[in-house]
Amino acid sequence: DTGVSQNPRHKITKRGQNVTFRCDPISEHNRLYWYRQTLGQGPEFLTYFQNEAQLEKSRLLSDRFSAERPKGSFSTLEIQRTEQGDSAMYLCASSSYRVSTEAFFGQGTRLTVV
Amino acid sequence: GDSVTQMEGPVTLSEEAFLTINCTYTATGYPSLFWYVQYPGEGLQLLLKATKADDKGSNKGFEATYRKETTSFHLEKGSVQVSDSAVYFCALSERSRAGGTSYGKLTFGQGTILTVHP
Repeated sequence: DTGVSQNPRHKITKRGQNVTFRCDPISEHNRLYWYRQTLGQGPEFLTYFQNEAQLEKSRLLSDRFSAERPKGSFSTLEIQRTEQGDSAMYLCASSSYRVSTEAFFGQGTRLTVV
Repeated sequence: GDSVTQMEGPVTLSEEAFLTINCTYTATGYPSLFWYVQYPGEGLQLLLKATKADDKGSNKGFEATYRKETTSFHLEKGSVQVSDSAVYFCALSERSRAGGTSYGKLTFGQGTILTVHP
């Protein structure tokens, strides 16, 4: 297994456009998390899936944000009508139910809204 | 809610110097505590962890002890190397009860940039 994979690594979009990011977790991990990291700050929790069920969403996740994990494997994070304030690094992490204290992170998708 | 506070950075040291990065936390339950490291151009990696009071996590010469009485989890290394230059994040994950499992949601501090010069 090559770890958590995120695509694309970089995305530049114009304000008002929609963007979608993909995360492929470690194959045997049933838990998947999305975080957002802005410059000079630590990652902030956005949402969490256990298998295909989205069990928690942060209030940071406005109505313009939606995340899915349709078959309990890969996940997508979509941002509609992007704003300049959405510019950030979007991180995905996964963990195993059996070893729930350790999350493995992908390298992230850097979004720039111009 | 839960929160993690790290010492103000950045930290600049000479090779072989002693490192301390302070971390304190606020949590209502029984958190597990972590240090993650982010090397330039790479993703976050777990450096060490501790799951209960007085536990000591250690890895690659780094150590941190879970101090419940002072709600702290300070990171230390006796002799830093240039290759330790990175951003270090303290984090916690809540558990519903002592010894219980956590679903893994992490609350991070703001990060401390460490630069080690030869």
